[in-house]
Amino acid sequence: QKEVEQNSGPLSVPEGAIASLNCTYSDRGSQSFFWYRQYSGKSPELIMFIYSNGDKEDGRFTAQLNKASQYVSLLIRDSQPSDSATYLCAVRQGAQKLVFGQGTRLTINP
Amino acid sequence: DTAVSQTPKYLVTQMGNDKSIKCEQNLGHDTMYWYKQDSKKFLKIMFSYNNKELIINETVPNRFSPKSPDKAHLNLHINSLELGDSAVYFCASSQDPGGNEQFFGPGTRLTVL
Repeated sequence: QKEVEQNSGPLSVPEGAIASLNCTYSDRGSQSFFWYRQYSGKSPELIMFIYSNGDKEDGRFTAQLNKASQYVSLLIRDSQPSDSATYLCAVRQGAQKLVFGQGTRLTINP
Repeated sequence: DTAVSQTPKYLVTQMGNDKSIKCEQNLGHDTMYWYKQDSKKFLKIMFSYNNKELIINETVPNRFSPKSPDKAHLNLHINSLELGDSAVYFCASSQDPGGNEQFFGPGTRLTVL
């Protein structure tokens, strides 16, 4: 079992709808979770991170954690074509290392 | 101003050669990283340095050797390049070793022929 797993997609969502991206992790003790966005040919950039103590909302983005089921999700409301990218989930392992999933490719259709 | 920069952006070379990739950050961060992203977009950490000291060394062939001359620079030297080394290599930095927010460089696309 991979440490961090994501459905590679592609996930197609119509413009204006809610895009829902999920990620499962294997280490039950994990406490920090990150979502990065990567446009094609570009470098990853951090969208948001959450700790095990709660969900987080930032503009159109909401990150949610389900510790019992060991998955973290990213919701994008009012999806825009500019949201089309690969979304990488990462989980902190130990004090310093981030372990990334393979990413989900998201396409927003106008 | 570029926060994390890498050179070169593209590197095409023959098997068996030795090559280096350079990375510099002007964010004043203490921690720097090297990641490898393969053709399936899987991003995997290779090394991290905090204040010039190696703190993460993943299971990477010893043909790969990082060097940090100061905390703003982290270079990656690769000996005896192999076909499987072809990938995009990203440098990143963060304020602290916990790496809560890592800033990535533009990447170096390495192609080994």
